[in-house]
Amino acid sequence: EVQLVESGGGVVRPGGSLRLSCAASGFTFDDYGMSWVRQVPGKGLEWVSGINWNGGDIGYADSVKGRFTISRDNAKHSLYLQMNNLRAEDTALYYCARSITSVVVTAFGDWGQGTLVTVSS
Amino acid sequence: DIQMTQSPSSVSASVGDRVTITCRASQDIRTWLDWYQQKAGRAPRLLIYAASSLQSGVPSRFSGSGSGTDFTLTINSLQPEDFATYYCQQAHSVPLTFGGGTKIDIK
Repeated sequence: EVQLVESGGGVVRPGGSLRLSCAASGFTFDDYGMSWVRQVPGKGLEWVSGINWNGGDIGYADSVKGRFTISRDNAKHSLYLQMNNLRAEDTALYYCARSITSVVVTAFGDWGQGTLVTVSS
Repeated sequence: DIQMTQSPSSVSASVGDRVTITCRASQDIRTWLDWYQQKAGRAPRLLIYAASSLQSGVPSRFSGSGSGTDFTLTINSLQPEDFATYYCQQAHSVPLTFGGGTKIDIK
């Protein structure tokens, strides 16, 4: 069974940093691309960033480019999102999502339950 | 960036109804279009990928069609568990983008 478990969310002040983690199990991690997708409670879905199977191809939403960094450790079956210079508009539930293929640009076949990030003074 | 526009934003329907949701892309995305279902408090669930391919485990009453800029998700014979919000997503190019969602509620 595929499992994606996010952690690292919390309350942070504007301008602060957080590092999200996603622990993956139940599949061959380095066969798949991975992404972070966020959702403000009660609102729609926004893709944040994605990474291909070996980290050689990475993409970001314009809203986070230059502030967020995605990475993965295939040996640890883990995905990460380093979030710097956080803004109030980054407040959302952050989902870890597994691509249906090895690339960044694809559908997401499996999702975690999300970790909540709140940016507030 | 490719903009995805869904319509309607909400629809009231009854069990047994046929429901159609449309999604329009701001440019040609061929068939790089996916559909998700999301229930309150839950993560999204992939229903359809590549415009018309049914994800494993998804009931056959769900179907997708379209290419280029115009796409549809059809739910035949709506079931009680289908009342949820549905999103389209383009998988043509970065940044990946979602439609605004269509909520199906009980009439």
